[in-house]
Amino acid sequence: QVQLQQWGAGLLKPSETLSLTCAVYGGSFSGYYWSWIRQPPGKGLEWIGEIYHSGSTTYDPSLKSRVTISVDTSKKQFSLKLTSVTAADTAVYYCARRYCSGGSCYWGAFDIWGQGTMVTVSS
Amino acid sequence: QSALTQPRSVSGSPGQSVTISCTGTSSDVGGYNYVSWYQQHPGKAPKLIIYDVSDRPSGVPDRFSGSKSGNTASLTISGLQAEDEADYCCCSYAGSYTYVFGTGTKVTVL
Repeated sequence: QVQLQQWGAGLLKPSETLSLTCAVYGGSFSGYYWSWIRQPPGKGLEWIGEIYHSGSTTYDPSLKSRVTISVDTSKKQFSLKLTSVTAADTAVYYCARRYCSGGSCYWGAFDIWGQGTMVTVSS
Repeated sequence: QSALTQPRSVSGSPGQSVTISCTGTSSDVGGYNYVSWYQQHPGKAPKLIIYDVSDRPSGVPDRFSGSKSGNTASLTISGLQAEDEADYCCCSYAGSYTYVFGTGTKVTVL
């Protein structure tokens, strides 16, 4: 059974860099797309970006200038860095896997999620 | 890209049906048949319940169904049960390998 385990700093000051890592256990890393998604307190989900196991990435246009998602296939891990954080970046951050079956991967269908990491930005 | 618009809340009695709308634009919901729906209980990670507008992953009850007309997608929960009380959020492909989520809807079972 595939599980995602994520970790990273939970309290940041404005202008610092958010850094989170997500590890894949119990399943394949190759052939899948891996995303970061966040949820501000009391609000809806926001897609941040996605990386393929090969390292190709796509980002939400509004965050693109501050986001980097990278992958370490040898460790079956992928990471998120978000620079110059502000209070608006306070949220629960989730890592997630895009659902793939029968050789097809389905757009926007995230079937496995990490446990979430609350990140608070405060001076 | 702007968040997809969902009603803030809907409610129904056990056994009834409720429908949640998810309104976007021709650049997202209306342009692609790639709408997914998520159920989220308090303090938990979201759970995928619908993908590609109307397909259900294995294990999701057929009480959950999805549809789309124009720029609006819908999730219907039939035979509402107490455990269906949760937040529901839609997601659509928005072109250029990006996605946009909805504003979220709280379903209350009366």
